[in-house]
Amino acid sequence: ILNVEQSPQSLHVQEGDSTNFTCSFPSSNFYALHWYRWETAKSPEALFVMTLNGDEKKKGRISATLNTKEGYSYLYIKGSQPEDSATYLCALILAAGNKLTFGGGTRVLVKP
Amino acid sequence: DAGVTQSPTHLIKTRGQQVTLRCSPKSGHDTVSWYQQALGQGPQFIFQYYEEEERQRGNFPDRFSGHQFPNYSSELNVNALLLGDSALYLCASGRGIETQYFGPGTRLLVL
Repeated sequence: ILNVEQSPQSLHVQEGDSTNFTCSFPSSNFYALHWYRWETAKSPEALFVMTLNGDEKKKGRISATLNTKEGYSYLYIKGSQPEDSATYLCALILAAGNKLTFGGGTRVLVKP
Repeated sequence: DAGVTQSPTHLIKTRGQQVTLRCSPKSGHDTVSWYQQALGQGPQFIFQYYEEEERQRGNFPDRFSGHQFPNYSSELNVNALLLGDSALYLCASGRGIETQYFGPGTRLLVL
């Protein structure tokens, strides 16, 4: 069974503060890691697809890093805003065209 | 581009019944995957369809079956519904390892 773990499960952040959280995965047979943002009552929205060790991706105030050798990825939110409140999911792909194996998600609540 | 669409949005069934959920992929996508998301968990992979064939399957019983049509749209069928089948069912479309685009989901409640 493939275990993709996300921590923490939930996070309360004050507006304006920066935060980060972790996705951990088995480092063998890695192919790609996806990050999604899922707001309540909406579809999961793709943030990043990361494939190479050392990858760093950025989209506005959100960025992600990838370490395939030790099996983790960090997602950072700089200067959190209430609209950043969502569940952030990471998902692992082991081979091209393969299924996404999701972590349990980190629920972020940004308080004004 | 309408993106990934799913129907219906909500559904209530009773134990033992059968249900069919539908998904239309994003334009240009040929692969459709189905996921089940139970409360408090991440989505769990059910199966993936490509060129009208089931290409890969997750740990779900044979009560879960699917189909992909020549226009790439897909159906998920669940027979002999159990209370534990109550969940949000998500459809995602894509090409290879490119970003998979998700629909809004169908929320199924089994009573």
